[in-house]
Amino acid sequence: SAVISQKPSRDICQRGTSLTIQCQVDSQVTMMFWYRQQPGQSLTLIATANQGSEATYESGFVIDKFPISRPNLTFSTLTVSNMSPEDSSIYLCSVVLGGSGANVLTFGAGSRLTVL
Amino acid sequence: AQKVTQAQTEISVVEKEDVTLDCVYETRDTTYYLFWYKQPPSGELVFLIRRNSFDEQNEISGRYSWNFQKSTSSFNFTITASQVVDSAVYFCALELYGQNFVFGPGTRLSVLP
Repeated sequence: SAVISQKPSRDICQRGTSLTIQCQVDSQVTMMFWYRQQPGQSLTLIATANQGSEATYESGFVIDKFPISRPNLTFSTLTVSNMSPEDSSIYLCSVVLGGSGANVLTFGAGSRLTVL
Repeated sequence: AQKVTQAQTEISVVEKEDVTLDCVYETRDTTYYLFWYKQPPSGELVFLIRRNSFDEQNEISGRYSWNFQKSTSSFNFTITASQVVDSAVYFCALELYGQNFVFGPGTRLSVLP
């Protein structure tokens, strides 16, 4: 199975700053997904990133706040801009792996951000 | 509308007890997939099982078993002889057409020694 590497694994950030999270997959994938998990909550999809096109954002998430890059089929970044304490969450990169109808949404280890 | 409900917010059991985590889903699609994921305190999400809507056979994997009942739109997960290492948050999820995933709110399981 593919390996998904995310960094940083955790960070403590100051209000008003921005942080970029990197996601590297060891195989080529068409779509990469970015999720947010607020403390004690479930996963919420932020956006879907396709290589060569702009990311598609879910309701409640905007590009100015969460710009995403997808320069190639194995890499993506998510930036959390102008952070506030409400942005303290785990941010998870994920891809769908598998074949022959056996797709599985597979996650990186997550990036745990704390905003002071 | 598509939705996944996990009515149990938190469950505590004593080691070696059996425990069942409930999952009820809503969708109008006839083709869909159901998943269970485990999220231990470390935070990473671990895939446990994937089941398609046309396969209602129950499945057993070691101490884990899953009961899929289309008639009640449920996909329940049972851990037999629970262990402390089973302590985690468990998420049920629904995949629809186009790799559109919907996650339930999660059930936090605490297994006490």
